[in-house]
Amino acid sequence: EVQLVESGGGLVKPGGSLRLSCAASGFSFSTYIMNWVRQAPGKGLEWVSSISGRSTNIYYADSVKGRFTISRDNAKNSLYLQMNSLIAEDTAVYYCARDQWGCRGGRCSHYFDYWGQGTLVTVSS
Amino acid sequence: SYVLTQPPSVSVAPGETARITCGGNIIGSKTVHWYQQKPDQAPVLVVYDDSDRPSGIPERFSGSKSGNTATLTISGVEAGDEADYYCQVWDTSTDHRVFGGGTKVTVL
Repeated sequence: EVQLVESGGGLVKPGGSLRLSCAASGFSFSTYIMNWVRQAPGKGLEWVSSISGRSTNIYYADSVKGRFTISRDNAKNSLYLQMNSLIAEDTAVYYCARDQWGCRGGRCSHYFDYWGQGTLVTVSS
Repeated sequence: SYVLTQPPSVSVAPGETARITCGGNIIGSKTVHWYQQKPDQAPVLVVYDDSDRPSGIPERFSGSKSGNTATLTISGVEAGDEADYYCQVWDTSTDHRVFGGGTKVTVL
């Protein structure tokens, strides 16, 4: 059974830092792209970042580029998100999500087939 | 950046059909995926690659696409289908995953 368990959330002051972790089990972690997706209180889903299996390809949403760093440790089946220079707008539930690749009629796409339960990050003074 | 547009809300009586739309420029050239999110729960994939269902998702959930609009259809709506629904695509120009703003489905 695929399981994704996030941890590391909490209350942090503006300008502060926090490191989120996601422990994965039930699948061959190193062979999957992994993602972070967040959801501000009462708002919609926002993709944050993705990292390929060997960490060779990394992408960030414009809203976090230069402040957040995604990484992974395949030996520990773990995904991380280092968040620096946090601002109030970063307040959200952060989800770890497994990436899947699918194709239909010659068109291919990434989507998220498994999600963790999320960890809440609150940025406030 | 690529934008997906969904109606904020859809209301439907039990047993009727709910249709949730997702619009985007040249969405016909992309594959669309749909997620269901119930209050205080993580999202769940209900349709992928425009119209495929993951195992365990009822046949009542179906996806389609026409022109610049993708549609998630829920047939024979049940009270348990009340949730927020999000569409999602992959923006090939930036390698970013993009979500629509979400649609709240209310079962009357």
